[in-house]
Amino acid sequence: GAGVSQSPSNKVTEKGKDVELRCDPISGHTALYWYRQSLGQGLEFLIYFQGNSAPDKSGLPSDRFSAERTGGSVSTLTIQRTQQEDSAVYLCASSLGIPASGANVLTFGAGSRLTVL
Amino acid sequence: ILNVEQSPQSLHVQEGDSTNFTCSFPSSNFYALHWYRWETAKSPEALFVMTLNGDEKKKGRISATLNTKEGYSYLYIKGSQPEDSATYLCALGGHNDYKLSFGAGTTVTVRA
Repeated sequence: GAGVSQSPSNKVTEKGKDVELRCDPISGHTALYWYRQSLGQGLEFLIYFQGNSAPDKSGLPSDRFSAERTGGSVSTLTIQRTQQEDSAVYLCASSLGIPASGANVLTFGAGSRLTVL
Repeated sequence: ILNVEQSPQSLHVQEGDSTNFTCSFPSSNFYALHWYRWETAKSPEALFVMTLNGDEKKKGRISATLNTKEGYSYLYIKGSQPEDSATYLCALGGHNDYKLSFGAGTTVTVRA
C-alpha cells in the first residue's frame, strides 16, 4: 500500500479483556517495528520483525504481549488480559532495511490508541 | 536500549521567531541519528538522518547538526510558523542494533 495502515485507530476495552492490533506495512518493507507511547512518555520499543521472524522482542513488557507477522506482511500485536497500564498509543513502523545504520528511515502508521478502563 | 535525552520537554515560540533544541546521546556505539516530526493526529515523519560527525542537514526552514564526539544534535527552526507546531523526536541507532532508541521528544507550540 501507499503507507502503513493500522487498525483499529481507537480501541476502548475493559480490564481483563484481550485486544488485537493490526499493522499493514508498506509493500516490500521487510523490517517491521512496534513501538508504544504511554501518556507523558517517549516511544518505547516493543518488537522487531525481519520477514516473519522476530530477532528482537526484548521490549515486550510481559508475557501478556505477543506479536506475529505472516507472509512477510501483516503483523498483529495481541495483548491478553489487558491492564490499565497498557493504555497507550501503539505505533507500527516499517522500513526497507534496518534504520539503525542510517541507510533507511522508519515509515510510521497513524497508531492505535488503546484505552483500558 | 540506548539512553537518548531531549531538552527542553516543551517550548512555546512566537510566530516568526527562531528556536532550537537538543538531543543528547552516548557517543560510544553511535551509528546514526534520526529526527522525526510528529504532528497531532498524524504519523511521525522522518526529517533527517545523519551519520557523520559534523553533518548538517536542511529542509526548508528546519536544519540539524550532529556532533558524535560529544554526543549531541541540535535541531533549528528558523522563522517559526504555526505549521511547525509538533513534537520533534530524535532517535539513535547503535552498532549491532536492529532498532532505534527514541528520546521523549520536544513539543513545539508556535503562537500566532
